Amino acid sequence: KAGVTQTPRYLIKTRGQQVTLSCSPISGHRSVSWYQQTPGQGLQFLFEYFSETQRNKGNFPGRFSGRQFSNSRSEMNVSTLELGDSALYLCASSFTDRNEKLFFGSGTQLSVL
Amino acid sequence: KNEVEQSPQNLTAQEGEFITINCSYSVGISALHWLQQHPGGGIVSLFMLSSGKKKHGRLIATINIQEKHSSLHITASHPRDSAVYICAVKGERDTGNQFYFGTGTSLTVIP
Repeated sequence: KAGVTQTPRYLIKTRGQQVTLSCSPISGHRSVSWYQQTPGQGLQFLFEYFSETQRNKGNFPGRFSGRQFSNSRSEMNVSTLELGDSALYLCASSFTDRNEKLFFGSGTQLSVL
Repeated sequence: KNEVEQSPQNLTAQEGEFITINCSYSVGISALHWLQQHPGGGIVSLFMLSSGKKKHGRLIATINIQEKHSSLHITASHPRDSAVYICAVKGERDTGNQFYFGTGTSLTVIP
């Protein structure tokens, strides 16, 4: 069974650009959540999707958005990139939106220059 | 103010030692997760707890909901246990069902 797949693994962008990251959950999983990890702030919750609906959202500005498709794949978009958006972006999946064990992808390392 | 506090921040142990990592939280929660992250590696979920105690191999996790405290124990530690251990809680509806994370405990087990 394939794990959670995140693409791309590495990305370099410049300030002001926008970026879209992709997350394919484990087959059968319908919940996808996104996280930002930086050396200074550690892990922070971005949002959670279940059955194409955003269920929960963290304290990030509106430049951070996401969506989930009918096949449970999810994308995360960051517009007007800032230097501080440089981070490892992780997604995790689970079967449902109830409290279950999370399965994490390897992440996308985003560098904003 | 951090909703989740972990201690210690850093821990060095000799192989075979019994290790305890503590996590305290200040919000009402629906679940608590213990995560493991190896250097340069991804995150693995070790446990998801909402009450009581869970055991998997040499790892034991406990939670006391009334005291808002959880512990992760590693019995007979091994160098492959060297990693960062992160405590995460999922808040209840009044916190928007958000996840809150501790800053992690960096564990080094010396052979």
